[in-house]
Amino acid sequence: KTQVEQSPQSLVVRQGENCVLQCNYSVTPDNHLRWFKQDTGKGLVSLTVLVDQKDKTSNGRYSATLDKDAKHSTLHITATLLDDTATYICVVGDRGSALGRLHFGAGTQLIVIP
Amino acid sequence: ETAVFQTPNYHVTQVGNEVSFNCKQTLGHDTMYWYKQDSKKLLKIMFSYNNKQLIVNETVPRRFSPQSSDKAHLNLRIKSVEPEDSAVYLCASSLGLDSQNTLYFGAGTRLSVL
Repeated sequence: KTQVEQSPQSLVVRQGENCVLQCNYSVTPDNHLRWFKQDTGKGLVSLTVLVDQKDKTSNGRYSATLDKDAKHSTLHITATLLDDTATYICVVGDRGSALGRLHFGAGTQLIVIP
Repeated sequence: ETAVFQTPNYHVTQVGNEVSFNCKQTLGHDTMYWYKQDSKKLLKIMFSYNNKQLIVNETVPRRFSPQSSDKAHLNLRIKSVEPEDSAVYLCASSLGLDSQNTLYFGAGTRLSVL
């Protein structure tokens, strides 16, 4: 059973537009949530990590929110660039140690067109 | 900047053959991981190593075995590949046992089993 659901599955936006990616999960306990960017044929690059019950983070054009009550997270990308074309993966960790499990979503494929 | 190095990038082989994938990290991290990414982009953890000791061993087929000579290296050996082993194998490392530490991923090794 999939415990981390991401939506939309894919998204096409024009360069300069903003977009929002969603992540809903059922992982319990939910210690932290991380967003990764994966370029085609490349490894994952961590964008941000959210920890608190209601958390917000900002990393340049990327900003993210987490609501543990709703078990929901969003990733906002502002003023998209062509280089933002990638798959964005939501990961929920059920513990604060490597003995815990990392639950990966299937990702949202973002395509930025000129 | 790449700090987790995986070789080879691609490997094509036939059912029943033995393959070995290499991973090296230059970050001085204590913990390394192997993940399998399937065609739906889902990542599933296979092994975790902390200071050369296996600490998380997910239920994977016995034909898979991790091999580590020191904390900077974690190789993955598949004794007799099966068609369902076709996937991208991602190696990662983190500073330590706290899973809130950023995961650094390699570019992956894509295995195709004919």
